[in-house]
Amino acid sequence: AQRVTQPEKLLSVFKGAPVELKCNYSYSGSPELFWYVQYSRQRLQLLLRHISRESIKGFTADLNKGETSFHLKKPFAQEEDSAMYYCALSAATSGSARQLTFGSGTQLTVLP
Amino acid sequence: KAGVTQTPRYLIKTRGQQVTLSCSPISGHRSVSWYQQTPGQGLQFLFEYFSETQRNKGNFPGRFSGRQFSNSRSEMNVSTLELGDSALYLCASSLANYGYTFGSGTRLTVV
Repeated sequence: AQRVTQPEKLLSVFKGAPVELKCNYSYSGSPELFWYVQYSRQRLQLLLRHISRESIKGFTADLNKGETSFHLKKPFAQEEDSAMYYCALSAATSGSARQLTFGSGTQLTVLP
Repeated sequence: KAGVTQTPRYLIKTRGQQVTLSCSPISGHRSVSWYQQTPGQGLQFLFEYFSETQRNKGNFPGRFSGRQFSNSRSEMNVSTLELGDSALYLCASSLANYGYTFGSGTRLTVV
C-alpha cells in the first residue's frame, strides 16, 4: 500500500528566507507525485506535479527516487505563501484506476 | 471554464438520517473522486468513478456509496449518519490522471 509522510505539521519562516517542506513516500510502483496548497478559506489547488518539472509561484520540487522524497522548496518565502501544503501520491490500484493518497499536511507560516 | 461544483456548500443533519451530496466535474473530465477531510484523519479517499463505473473504493463502511451519471456528474450518499461523519467532503475531477481539480467541498455537520 502507498503512504505519504509529511513530518512537519507546522513550519514557520521569516519573509525572504528559504523554505523547504518535506515529503517522503512509500510505493512499490512508479509514483506520480503532486503538491497541493490550501489557502485560508479557499479550495485545495494543485501547485506542482513532478512529471511537468515546472516552477509555480517560485516553488519547485524534485523527485528523488533513491530517497523516496519529493520535497517542496522556495528560495525566498513571501507572506502570501502562508497556507496548508499537502503532498500527494497517485498510485495505480487496478487496471487504469488510480488513487490519490495525501500526506497529513504542513501548515506554513511566513512571518514578516 | 467552470471548475468543479459541489452542492450544497453546507448541510446539517441528524444522526440516523441519510444525505446526498452532488458534484459536477469540469466539462470533459470523466473521472470523479470523493474525499473526506477531517482535522483528525486529514484527507481520506472514499471512491472514484469513471464512465459511470466505480473503479476504486477506499476503506469506508458500506454506508458510504456513490454513483456517476452519463454526463459525469456524481453523487455520494451516506446512510444512517453518525456524529463521526461530520466532515468536509471534497470532490475532484481529473482528465486522464493529469492532476486532480478539487471543488470547494460540502461541509456536513451531524448533530
